Amino acid sequence: DIQMTQSPSSLSASVGDRVTITCRASQSISSFLNWYQQKPGKAPKLLIYAASTLQSGVPSRFSGGESGAEFTLTISSLQPEDFATYYCQQSYRMPLTFGQGTKVEIK
Amino acid sequence: QVQLQESGPGLVKPSQTLSLTCDVSGASISSGAYYWSWIRQVPGKGLEWIGYMFYSGSAYYNPSLESRLIISLDASNNRFSLKLRSVTAADTAVYFCARAGQKEINFDSWGQGTLVTVSS
Repeated sequence: DIQMTQSPSSLSASVGDRVTITCRASQSISSFLNWYQQKPGKAPKLLIYAASTLQSGVPSRFSGGESGAEFTLTISSLQPEDFATYYCQQSYRMPLTFGQGTKVEIK
Repeated sequence: QVQLQESGPGLVKPSQTLSLTCDVSGASISSGAYYWSWIRQVPGKGLEWIGYMFYSGSAYYNPSLESRLIISLDASNNRFSLKLRSVTAADTAVYFCARAGQKEINFDSWGQGTLVTVSS
């Protein structure tokens, strides 16, 4: 299985901060990388697919990037509604696998 | 707008079969454009892909669960189902149904999730 490792596992940030979360795959996955946001008690929400394509309706402060087997999710200016847990997911090879999550908390 | 809704027992005894259904509205599971999927999440933990099925009947399962798992489609009622047999406490989780696009296999629509507890 392809292992997805996110860092950090959690972070504290303030409204207006620029936040970057990293996801590293255990092998090359091309650009088959998706990002989700999950709030407590809710289903995950797709934010970005194919590493850098913004899902329809998602604010433009979210962006995705890649460099080799390392992928990033950046929130350019953190808003109150962005405090949540973020997951990456690879769709390059079965079984589909997720990162362990990064919890973004209020500082 | 597509909507998915899980239903099924919230409590299952160990060694029995966990059965869940996902009702889909706003899209046809026979359209051929999507994979119809199950994902689970142990409370407080991460996400685990269980498997998905295509309208043609092709199914793809997580090898870690494959020997106990059946996913099926009911096109006439626009729903799909999950059966996981011989459950243990380790199968206690929130179970989500979701739709995945064929190309990037990203989960763009989700049900709200249903907690299934395995306990005697």
